Amino acid sequence: AQSVTQLDSQVPVFEEAPVELRCNYSSSVSVYLFWYVQYPNQGLQLLLKYLSGSTLVKGINGFEAEFNKSQTSFHLRKPSVHISDTAEYFCAVSEAAGGTSYGKLTFGQGTILTVHP
Amino acid sequence: GAGVSQSPSNKVTEKGKDVELRCDPISGHTALYWYRQSLGQGLEFLIYFQGNSAPDKSGLPSDRFSAERTGGSVSTLTIQRTQQEDSAVYLCASSPGLAGKAQYFGPGTRLLVL
Repeated sequence: AQSVTQLDSQVPVFEEAPVELRCNYSSSVSVYLFWYVQYPNQGLQLLLKYLSGSTLVKGINGFEAEFNKSQTSFHLRKPSVHISDTAEYFCAVSEAAGGTSYGKLTFGQGTILTVHP
Repeated sequence: GAGVSQSPSNKVTEKGKDVELRCDPISGHTALYWYRQSLGQGLEFLIYFQGNSAPDKSGLPSDRFSAERTGGSVSTLTIQRTQQEDSAVYLCASSPGLAGKAQYFGPGTRLLVL
């Protein structure tokens, strides 16, 4: 079984400032890692994913995340945020190919990012 | 192309009534997932379909919950004898069916049980 911990429930930040949303995971097997964003009253949209290879992953809207296997972390970063980035962000894991979870996602509790002008 | 659609967008029902929630996945996506999002529990996996079969129903919270998928496409999640703790947003997602592929989410059905 896997578990995901998002260390901050809320992150306030000013426009054009950098931001980091933290995510740690626990798993006894190899995993894939994802970040999703949810705007108010909408479904989840994939920001980026890590399957293998380079540990630095770039996604949409200028976001990137770095996979750190030794620290079991997958923190999300953006060098300069915009008002439109205000949303809830979810970190998720799934068992890697060859397992039995069929891509089922286990989510963290979410981090609400609020960008102030 | 069209994304994942869900209906109804909102549903208010009385305790004890049955409800049906519908999901139309992206055409050609063989995998379909149901999740539940609630304030107390966050996002929880409910059930997974590959084609019309459901190899993983481990997330269904009780036998009041059931789901089916027909023609490898539309899925219906049914909740019988609804309880107030069933109030949540029910999200459907579809993917091409291979681990690691992105799951595309619908807008959800917001269920309120009075």
